[in-house]
Amino acid sequence: DIQMTQSPASLSASLGETVTIECLTSEDIYSNLAWYQQKPGKSPQLLIYDASSLQDGVPSRFSGSESGTQYSLEINSLQSEDAATYFCQQHHDYPYTFGAGTKLELK
Amino acid sequence: EVQLQQSGAELGKPGTSVKLSCKVSGYNIRNTYMHWVNQRPGKGLEWIGRIDPANGNTISAEKFKSKATLTADTSSNTAYMQLSQLKSDDTAIYFCAMGPGITPWFAYWGQGTLVTVSS
Repeated sequence: DIQMTQSPASLSASLGETVTIECLTSEDIYSNLAWYQQKPGKSPQLLIYDASSLQDGVPSRFSGSESGTQYSLEINSLQSEDAATYFCQQHHDYPYTFGAGTKLELK
Repeated sequence: EVQLQQSGAELGKPGTSVKLSCKVSGYNIRNTYMHWVNQRPGKGLEWIGRIDPANGNTISAEKFKSKATLTADTSSNTAYMQLSQLKSDDTAIYFCAMGPGITPWFAYWGQGTLVTVSS
């Protein structure tokens, strides 16, 4: 199975700041990576697919990038509604696997 | 608008089975793959498997092959997952999720079904 190492496990940031969440994959997944946002008691919501494609309706302050087997989710100009847990998911090979999650808290 | 409506919370005793449902509206499930994902209390997401409702073909994670049985009824546009031989470790929220189409990312999610295993 492809292992997903997501970091940090948690972070705290202020409104208007920019944060970056990273996901390191155990092998090349050829940009086949998605990012999701999950708020407490809710289902995950798709933000990014294919490493950098923005899902319809998702604010442009969310962006994805990659460098080798390292994938990043950047959130610019943090808003209060961005407080949530974020997960990466490789969609290159079965079984699909997720990162452990990053809990983002707003100061 | 695409909506996935999952069945209500289940309380199962150890050793028994439960069957969860996921009814889709606004999209023909013949044109997508239906995936199932779980989330144990306070934990991350875990992919269980997926079914192609058009032909019934399934792919599952190894650890769920004897645990989860995936089926679909295209006449009612509903997917199902039966969890067997329940153990306390199966206590989790179970989500159905899909496409659009047969894309391997999940734009649409059900609201989740909480399965609690307790004697």
